Amino acid sequence: AQSVAQPEDQVNVAEGNPLTVKCTYSVSGNPYLFWYVQYPNRGLQFLLKYITGDNLVKGSYGFEAEFNKSQTSFHLKKPSALVSDSALYFCAVRDGTGRRALTFGSGTRLQVQP
Amino acid sequence: DTAVSQTPKYLVTQMGNDKSIKCEQNLGHDTMYWYKQDSKKFLKIMFSYNNKELIINETVPNRFSPKSPDKAHLNLHINSLELGDSAVYFCASSQDGQGVREQYFGPGTRLTVT
Repeated sequence: AQSVAQPEDQVNVAEGNPLTVKCTYSVSGNPYLFWYVQYPNRGLQFLLKYITGDNLVKGSYGFEAEFNKSQTSFHLKKPSALVSDSALYFCAVRDGTGRRALTFGSGTRLQVQP
Repeated sequence: DTAVSQTPKYLVTQMGNDKSIKCEQNLGHDTMYWYKQDSKKFLKIMFSYNNKELIINETVPNRFSPKSPDKAHLNLHINSLELGDSAVYFCASSQDGQGVREQYFGPGTRLTVT
């Protein structure tokens, strides 16, 4: 069964500092990995995905994520946080077998302080 | 133009009632989904349709019945509502049914059962 873990309920960072939101996964076969962001009272918005190829994936709003197969991780990063990045971030995984549904992590709330 | 829209945005009803939530997408996508987000923000897939065919049917009480009249619409009907059905329900769409393309989410329907 596929699963994804986001070990931090909340991450606090000062504006202008780099941020990391952690995600680890467990799947059969090769993973398809995604990051989504949810602003208050809104639906989720796609940020980036890893399917194959370069381990460093660049996405929307200056975010990037690094796929690490040996550590089964897909951490989300940004070099310089903005207050407007404050939101709820979800990691999701689809495994490489027949199951087509995404499994989402429990979410990490990012709080960027001015 | 709104890409994925849901109606109603809020739904307050009593236990035992039957209610429907409607979803429409104007992105020309082939696949649509229903997700449930509980009070702890945990997001879980319920159903998915690809070209009006049911392709994902998770462990959901049979009081929940999706209907896709065409590939731009996916409705969710809930019979005999229970307190535990209170949640935010999100509709989403994507270009494929394989779970490897990004999903576009609607704004959500907040269902409160009293």
